[in-house]
Amino acid sequence: SAVISQKPSRDICQRGTSLTIQCQVDSQVTMMFWYRQQPGQSLTLIATANQGSEATYESGFVIDKFPISRPNLTFSTLTVSNMSPEDSSIYLCSVEVQGRRNGYTFGSGTRLTVV
Amino acid sequence: LAKTTQPISMDSYEGQEVNITCSHNNIATNDYITWYQQFPSQGPRFIIQGYKTKVTNEVASLFIPADRKSSTLSLPRVSLSDTAVYYCLVGGNNNNDMRFGAGTRLTVKP
Repeated sequence: SAVISQKPSRDICQRGTSLTIQCQVDSQVTMMFWYRQQPGQSLTLIATANQGSEATYESGFVIDKFPISRPNLTFSTLTVSNMSPEDSSIYLCSVEVQGRRNGYTFGSGTRLTVV
Repeated sequence: LAKTTQPISMDSYEGQEVNITCSHNNIATNDYITWYQQFPSQGPRFIIQGYKTKVTNEVASLFIPADRKSSTLSLPRVSLSDTAVYYCLVGGNNNNDMRFGAGTRLTVKP
């Protein structure tokens, strides 16, 4: 399976600022996904990022707030813009490797605290 | 979109077999059933996937009845390290299978 490096692992940010989270995969993948997980809760899909096209956002998430880049088949970034304390959460990236029959691989996440 | 329903939590003891059932009444014909395990401060980890009948790997077994409206993840002889949240996902060739339900928090006691 793929190995995902997600950076930073954690950060504490001031409200009103932005944070860019990086997701690096050790192999080329077509689809990458970004999730948010609040403490003690399940994962919520933010968007799907395919190389060469604009990201597809889920209901409740907009590009202005969570811009995503996907410059190549091994890398993606998620920016959390104009942060507020409500954005405090864990953000995870995920990739599909070798077809859906083998499931998806997740990064270890970025724990974001907005103060 | 096939919605899944799982028990919120389960308790077990070391060495016991644990069965976690997931209901997915409106599963579509091309949907697969996938289970993930998540430990604190880690991303979910793929456990097993199936379409019908029974699937077994080195970690778990997955039982799917003929109507496919439910599935049961079976963990043989659990240990303390199996304490985690287990998620059941249902989906096919689109992003539906990437939407997580509430999950089941399994606590294994000594």
